[in-house]
Amino acid sequence: EDQVTQSPEALRLQEGESSSLNCSYTVSGLRGLFWYRQDPGKGPEFLFTLYSAGEEKEKERLKATLTKKESFLHITAPKPEDSATYLCAVRSYNQGGKLIFGQGTELSVKP
Amino acid sequence: DSGVTQTPKHLITATGQRVTLRCSPRSGDLSVYWYQQSLDQGLQFLIHYYNGEERAKGNILERFSAQQFPDLHSELNLSSLELGDSALYFCASSARQGEGSGANVLTFGAGSRLTVL
Repeated sequence: EDQVTQSPEALRLQEGESSSLNCSYTVSGLRGLFWYRQDPGKGPEFLFTLYSAGEEKEKERLKATLTKKESFLHITAPKPEDSATYLCAVRSYNQGGKLIFGQGTELSVKP
Repeated sequence: DSGVTQTPKHLITATGQRVTLRCSPRSGDLSVYWYQQSLDQGLQFLIHYYNGEERAKGNILERFSAQQFPDLHSELNLSSLELGDSALYFCASSARQGEGSGANVLTFGAGSRLTVL
């Protein structure tokens, strides 16, 4: 069964304090790993898609990386506006188009 | 605005009642996915429609049903509601490149918050 586990569940950082979020996955053939950002009471907003081990993508202060078993979302010098829940999801070859999501990491950045 | 429209935004109803949630996908998107998000379960996949046809089912209860209409909008029907059905219900749509593409990004709507009292 395809599974996604994110850690930590919650992370509190000071503004400017860099850190990483982890997403471990088990899938029967990875077709894509997705990162989303979700603000309270809103729908998830797409950030990145990664397809193969070694791939990296960047957007402003965020950088996503992928290995054969996990993905990391690195946040460099975060700002309070980066506070949100970050969701990781996978799409596998035997599950059609749907995404399987992890529980998310709730990030809080204090000024 | 993601381009995916969900109505109503908020809904409060009583146990045993029936509600319908509506989703209009982004222009040109043929796929519609429904997800349920509760505090203890995270985002759970319910059902997927592609161009009017059901493509996949997740952990969707028998009391729930969905359909996608010829104009591609979709409705999620929830009946015999229970307290535990209180949750955020999200609709997402994906581009028309087809399900074989790993690049098929799901774009989510703002959700419908259902409260069952």
